[in-house]
Amino acid sequence: SYVVTQPTSVSVAPGQTARITCGGKNIGSKTVHWYQQKPGQAPVLVVYDDSDRPSGIPERISGSNSGNTATLIISRVEAGDEADYFCQVRDSSSDPYVFGTGTKVSVL
Amino acid sequence: QVQLVQSGAELKKPGSSVMVSCKASGGSFSNSSINWVRQAPGKGLEWMGGIIPIFGTPNYAQTFQDRVTIIVDEFTTTTYMRLSSLRSEDTAVYYCARSPFRGGIQHTWLDPWGQGTLVTVSS
Repeated sequence: SYVVTQPTSVSVAPGQTARITCGGKNIGSKTVHWYQQKPGQAPVLVVYDDSDRPSGIPERISGSNSGNTATLIISRVEAGDEADYFCQVRDSSSDPYVFGTGTKVSVL
Repeated sequence: QVQLVQSGAELKKPGSSVMVSCKASGGSFSNSSINWVRQAPGKGLEWMGGIIPIFGTPNYAQTFQDRVTIIVDEFTTTTYMRLSSLRSEDTAVYYCARSPFRGGIQHTWLDPWGQGTLVTVSS
């Protein structure tokens, strides 16, 4: 089955930029979605189709996908961005919904 | 806007089964995909399976193929997930989530999500 890896944690100071990676073989040829999950809450979609934002998600959250790495970028980080972030990939060779291992973003 | 509301928490004994419901309201239902995702305590997200109500044929993850059943009642816009032969490792929060059908395409992102149902398996 398709394997997707994320760093366990990322720490960032307020106002700086957080970059969360999602690695997989030739992931650039697949479609990646990103979710934010705060403690005790259901995940929330923050980026879909690599780089599109649902309504209500601020412009400082963006995504890119190329080669073997997809990236979620959070600019001008705020305390409220502290959460777990999961990538999700559609894979045709195995189960259709494959999640990354998740990254905990801590705001210093 | 579609909203998904799930049934309440369950406490089950090992070897038994559990059924969790997910009622959709607002927006289109029949041609969207309703999926089930679980999250063990402190762990990541795991897709279990999904169903498109208009077709009625579920698609299951290989890991759960032998133990999970997903059905849908189009009349009440409710989807059900049954997991059998429960073991302690099945203790988790179970979510339903929708993948939309738009512009003739079945998309693969999950939005919205239900509030989650905690299933505890313990003797």
